[in-house]
Amino acid sequence: EVNLVESGGGLVQPGQSLRLSCTVSGFTLSDYVMSWFRQAPGKGLEWVGFTKNKASGGTTDYAASVKGRFTISRDDSKSIAYLQMTSLKSEDTAVYYCARGYSSLWGQGTLVIVSS
Amino acid sequence: DIQMTQSPSSLSASVGDRVTITCQASQDISYYLNWFQQKPGKAPTLLIYGASNLETGVPSRFSGSGSGTDFTFTISSLHPEDFATYYCQQYQNVPLTFGGGTKVEIK
Repeated sequence: EVNLVESGGGLVQPGQSLRLSCTVSGFTLSDYVMSWFRQAPGKGLEWVGFTKNKASGGTTDYAASVKGRFTISRDDSKSIAYLQMTSLKSEDTAVYYCARGYSSLWGQGTLVIVSS
Repeated sequence: DIQMTQSPSSLSASVGDRVTITCQASQDISYYLNWFQQKPGKAPTLLIYGASNLETGVPSRFSGSGSGTDFTFTISSLHPEDFATYYCQQYQNVPLTFGGGTKVEIK
């Protein structure tokens, strides 16, 4: 069974950092682009960024709102994709989802709250 | 950035009704459009990809059409489990962008 599980969310203060993990099973991570999205409470969906697999160029790309603060990486040997978030702001408060490909299959999400 | 304008933002309908949602892109996105369903507290699930292709396992009462800038999503006969929020998303260009969502409520 294909599955994606996010972890690492929690409550952090503004300016702090947090790393989210997306552990996948049922498929080979190295075969896929992996994306991150977020959804602020009561709001719509927002793309955060993605990491391309080597066959697709191995590059990353980010939304303007997180560029320079967030870094997406992957460890294909461990079947984990990461979202490293630094200099967190209150407006980063959201449920964060990882997804296979550009958005075909999503994990259940992990909540990040940035508040003092 | 490509803006996705989705309408209506909400609608009330009854079981058995036909429901139509539209999505307009601010520029030509060819067929690079997805439709998602999201229920409260849950992750979005992909229903339609490539504007009109039904994702595996998705009931045939769901359909999508359109190309270029204008797209339509239809539920031919609303079932009780279809009450949810629906989003369109373009994946022609980065940044990937979503419509604002359509909440389908029980009449």
